[in-house]
Amino acid sequence: KNEVEQSPQNLTAQEGEFITINCSYSVGISALHWLQQHPGGGIVSLFMLSSGKKKHGRLIATINIQEKHSSLHITASHPRDSAVYICAAGGGTSYGKLTFGQGTILTVHP
Amino acid sequence: DVKVTQSSRYLVKRTGEKVFLECVQDMDHENMFWYRQDPGLGLRLIYFSYDVKMKEKGDIPEGYSVSREKKERFSLILESASTNQTSMYLCASSWLSYEQYFGPGTRLTVT
Repeated sequence: KNEVEQSPQNLTAQEGEFITINCSYSVGISALHWLQQHPGGGIVSLFMLSSGKKKHGRLIATINIQEKHSSLHITASHPRDSAVYICAAGGGTSYGKLTFGQGTILTVHP
Repeated sequence: DVKVTQSSRYLVKRTGEKVFLECVQDMDHENMFWYRQDPGLGLRLIYFSYDVKMKEKGDIPEGYSVSREKKERFSLILESASTNQTSMYLCASSWLSYEQYFGPGTRLTVT
């Protein structure tokens, strides 16, 4: 069993739909990261959160520490949101090591 | 803006060659990381460094070594490239345990 698991692995949506990607982790963490990777592109950090909720534009990330679960929501999805979304658990050291989930491939059709 | 650059976007090498992949960051970050990314396997940590000349093995260090002589530069070395090292290699840096900044990646093909 992976220490960080994401679901679903693949997600297809129509433009405008509300999207949720889930992440469960079994390791102790200091923070949970959400990353985005566009096809052929590099990886960018979307959120780093250790409690509650964060919002940036149409993206919202939530975390429930007790349940060891985080979600990434995209409101009013758009084809440019098509990408791989990766959650990663950060440990408590200053080294910044991350344990990655397998990623969720999101495709948004116009 | 934080910038992490990698020496090549695409690289083709022959089996047995010694391969150097270089990564440079411009934000004075202490931590630097080398990952490989393969379909179905996600991101896997090869090595990381938390200071100049300091390094730690990640999850898959076999066949690789690293060098960090200057704070801004972290090199990944494939001592004798093999076909199973064909992959996308990504470098990242971070300040302490905060968000990691990734380079654009090097797609290495070993023939």
